[in-house]
Amino acid sequence: EPEVTQTPSHQVTQMGQEVILRCVPISNHLYFYWYRQILGQKVEFLVSFYNNEISEKSEIFDDQFSVERPDGSNFTLKIRSTKLEDSAMYFCASSGGLRPEAFFGQGTRLTVV
Amino acid sequence: DQQVKQNSPSLSVQEGRISILNCDYTNSMFDYFLWYKKYPAEGPTFLISISSIKDKNEDGRFTVFLNKSAKHLSLHIVPSQPGDSAVYFCAARATGSARQLTFGSGTQLTVLP
Repeated sequence: EPEVTQTPSHQVTQMGQEVILRCVPISNHLYFYWYRQILGQKVEFLVSFYNNEISEKSEIFDDQFSVERPDGSNFTLKIRSTKLEDSAMYFCASSGGLRPEAFFGQGTRLTVV
Repeated sequence: DQQVKQNSPSLSVQEGRISILNCDYTNSMFDYFLWYKKYPAEGPTFLISISSIKDKNEDGRFTVFLNKSAKHLSLHIVPSQPGDSAVYFCAARATGSARQLTFGSGTQLTVLP
């Protein structure tokens, strides 16, 4: 069964460093997303990406964040200068067609120290 | 601004009995509602969805009911099994949006053997 894959599963970084989280969405999907979940809190939308551009972003997705689809398969989230409060699980998701459900990857646990 | 609310952080049910998970929403522009299940250290897994034009959708042991006038939906699991123990998230998608989902805060379901 097709699935969304994310790497790495866990990333530890120093405050102020740049991190890139990687995702391979389901191959025939057209819509791509990043969500995050701070420990014990709800899953929060960060950004959606369609037709090679950002289609919507939340207030969380400030200038420190960027997304890219560098080739036909990968979808990346870059945090330029990490802060302690960026520590969270980051989930990539994709969806396609008329159905409303998005399929999520296993997540990357980002720990900023 | 909690557009999707799950007021019960936890629920315990005996194996074989019915589990009822509840969700309320405030945004009348939601056109689809979804339920996801999440195990620790994994991404959310899609369970079932319902369009805003319907009041019931069933898939095996899972049934979702939608009451638009009350802006309320519920997920029924019958019969409950110990493997159903997980966090259940209610999510909703707004009409005309970039298809991103707004999540509730989740309900931890524990099914006791």
